[in-house]
Amino acid sequence: ETGVTQTPRHLVMGMTNKKSLKCEQHLGHNAMYWYKQSAKKPLELMFVYNFKEQTENNSVPSRFSPECPNSSHLFLHLHTLQPEDSALYLCASSLTPAGDMSDTQYFGPGTRLTVL
Amino acid sequence: AQKVTQAQTEISVVEKEDVTLDCVYETRDTTYYLFWYKQPPSGELVFLIRRNSFDEQNEISGRYSWNFQKSTSSFNFTITASQVVDSAVYFCALSEAGLGTGTASKLTFGTGTRLQVTL
Repeated sequence: ETGVTQTPRHLVMGMTNKKSLKCEQHLGHNAMYWYKQSAKKPLELMFVYNFKEQTENNSVPSRFSPECPNSSHLFLHLHTLQPEDSALYLCASSLTPAGDMSDTQYFGPGTRLTVL
Repeated sequence: AQKVTQAQTEISVVEKEDVTLDCVYETRDTTYYLFWYKQPPSGELVFLIRRNSFDEQNEISGRYSWNFQKSTSSFNFTITASQVVDSAVYFCALSEAGLGTGTASKLTFGTGTRLQVTL
């Protein structure tokens, strides 16, 4: 399998549920990202991991909890979400961890999350 | 703060027409990179092109071409002889360096332009 994969592709959950989103990259990259894409809003960067270390948390509510056990895997643990958290959650990875602005991010297909 | 503006929310064209998607950016950096991504209905953002701020040469790749003009802070994308498969949301993005050694770079995205190509 190549590129960036995400599971599940679709998820419906209640506000009291706990679920996790998974992202895996097969590109040998060192940085991984979580983005939120809501309707008619720019992509919002949520978290950045660089060699498994979190280097960015963009004021994301604590009901979103990321985990990066190694450079190839990234999780987003969800608990006690709100309906306004319904969105497409995209994972991305990039090769260079050193703040290289030429670094290209490659995206997965996303998880479409609906919170009831 | 960096900003990317894609003023065209939606564009509809008939197949074989040419279409240009506009992108205007703001940055205080003298060195930066610009990107275009395509998001088909499947959801995945597909990387199309990366251009650095020192290279103002236009680029052509098949039916796709990009016009970078630093003087007007624009990086426009033209699809020639559009096809139904070009229907997607297209995003322009601007990169900024990480906050320090060991931090990843960050992308600022525009709100996207939805292109609908019909027969």
